[in-house]
Formats: sequence, C-alpha cells, structure tokens
Amino acid sequence: DAGITQSPRYKITETGRQVTLMCHQTWSHSYMFWYRQDLGHGLRLIYYSAAADITDKGEVPDGYVVSRSKTENFPLTLESATRSQTSVYFCASSDQGDSYEQYFGPGTRLTVT
Amino acid sequence: GQNIDQPTEMTATEGAIVQINCTYQTSGFNGLFWYQQHAGEAPTFLSYNVLDGLEEKGRFSSFLSRSKGYSYLLLKELQMKDSASYLCAVGDGNNRLAFGKGNQVVVIP
Repeated sequence: DAGITQSPRYKITETGRQVTLMCHQTWSHSYMFWYRQDLGHGLRLIYYSAAADITDKGEVPDGYVVSRSKTENFPLTLESATRSQTSVYFCASSDQGDSYEQYFGPGTRLTVT
Repeated sequence: GQNIDQPTEMTATEGAIVQINCTYQTSGFNGLFWYQQHAGEAPTFLSYNVLDGLEEKGRFSSFLSRSKGYSYLLLKELQMKDSASYLCAVGDGNNRLAFGKGNQVVVIP
C-alpha cells in the first residue's frame, strides 16, 4: 500500500541495548523527519533529512543516529537505549517546498525498561 | 529559537463552535500549520496559512496574523469525532516544523 509506514509499532527493550526504528515512504518525498512525542512536550524534532545522504540534527538529537541511503527509507537508531528515551516516535515525510504539509506515519511506541 | 503557545484543554458541546488559539515567537517564519491528532493516532494535516487572513475549509477555518504572531483554528458544528488534540506548528523556512504542545478538545453531548 502507498503511504508512510513504521515498524515495529510497539517495542520493549532494555537499558543499554541498541534498537532501530524503521520508516518507509512510497511517495518519493524529498524530506523525511523523526519526532518524539512525550506528555508535556508535544512533538520534538530529533533528526531530519532533505534527500538521500543528507541528514541534519533537530532539537533533541543526543543518543540517536540516522541514515538515509535510499530516498524511501529513514531508519532511526538508539545506540544505547535509556529510560528517558521511552516515548512515541513518529516518522514524517514531505515534498520539497515550505508550503508542503508533512505526512506522518502511525508511530512506534517504545518502552525502555 | 521557537516559542509556540497553546491552551492545554477545552470542553465544548456537540453542535457548538470552538476557537483554538495559538501564539508564536519564532526566529523564522514560513507558514503556520494546524494538525489534528486523535488519541493513539498520528497527526493529520488540517490547514496551512502563510498570508494574513482567514482560510475556510468546510467546518474548519484557520486565521493568521503575522504581525501579532497569532493564529486560531475555528471548528464549527462540533461533532463527537472532533474530540482530539489540535496542534499548531510553525514552518521555519527550511521545511522544518516547530510544534506547540497541542490543545485537547473534548466534545460532550
């Protein structure tokens, strides 16, 4: 199906483990984004990418790594998970141009124990 | 930096009109977006304003005043399915959005 998908939808991991969240979009959008959403904070940008092989930090990048070798994929890796990274993670994509809205994936609920 | 302020929660009756306000102070501005987010779901796009004035789209309208750093979303003929969080977001000119914390609207019969 066309659109933007995320996997897994739910994940429980232990402190110190590495975990990768996947994001895939079928629109060939130039831009892709990773956000986390926490109660009291709203959506905060972690990393974003303007095109394949171009990534940049957002507001809260510490502890996260991204890559974008293909336009359609934008994985987010937590190198050594901490409890403070327990959150709901949303991936989004948009076409080029500031008037273009971002389309969000269904989210991944991550719990770090 | 970005500072986007929204009230946290409001309750309204089915069939009524509700106005959700958003004020912002941002270092760059290239448009204001409104998103709707139902509990446990992803945000979905509602509206976009880049020029001052009112944009109407069915039961939803959005207003922008750039000089005042102010926007509102107007929801008319409220329905139970409109119970959701409404997120205000400012575009910074680099395709990035800075989101407010959202305003929870609860619609009661």
